[in-house]
Amino acid sequence: DIQMTQSPSSLSASIGDRVTITCRASQGISNSLAWYQQKPGKAPKLLLYTASRVESGVPSRVSGSGSGTHYTLTISSLQPEDFATYYCQQYSGTPLTFGGGTKVEIK
Amino acid sequence: EVQLSESGGGLVQPGGSLRLSCAASGFTFRSYAMSWVRQAPGKGLEWVSAISGSGGSTYYADSVKGRFSISRDNSKNTLYLQMKSLRAEDTAVYYCAHERDSSGYFDYWGQGTLVTVSS
Repeated sequence: DIQMTQSPSSLSASIGDRVTITCRASQGISNSLAWYQQKPGKAPKLLLYTASRVESGVPSRVSGSGSGTHYTLTISSLQPEDFATYYCQQYSGTPLTFGGGTKVEIK
Repeated sequence: EVQLSESGGGLVQPGGSLRLSCAASGFTFRSYAMSWVRQAPGKGLEWVSAISGSGGSTYYADSVKGRFSISRDNSKNTLYLQMKSLRAEDTAVYYCAHERDSSGYFDYWGQGTLVTVSS
């Protein structure tokens, strides 16, 4: 199974801050990586796929990059609606696996 | 508009069974693979099972293999998850999720249904 390790598990940031979340795979996943945002009591929402492709309707301040085993999600200027938990997910092979999540909180 | 609506969750005793349903609308159901993803209270996301559009191929996480069974009725636009021999660790919100173009990632999710396994 491909293990996905996210870091940090939580962070505190202010409005306007640049935030970067990292996801590492236990083996190469050839950019088969998606990122989701989840708010309390709600279903996850797709933000990015194929590591860097932005889903329709997602603000341009959200971007993704990476290759091989190392991937990042960046929010260039944090907005109030961005406070949530973020998950990466690999789809290079089954079982599909998610990272442990990163909770972004208000400083 | 794509809509996914889960039902069938509830309280069940350890060792018991439950069947979840996911009613789909707004897309050609038979053309898309679907999955179940769960989330234990206060925990992260865990993929549970997937099924191809035709229903001919199914996949399971090791944690549920042999106990859970995924199926679909394309004439009713409905996805199912039959759960048997339930354990306390199966307690979670169960989401059905639409897989984009058999890619392996999920562009639409239901609102989830809570399964609680407890005596």
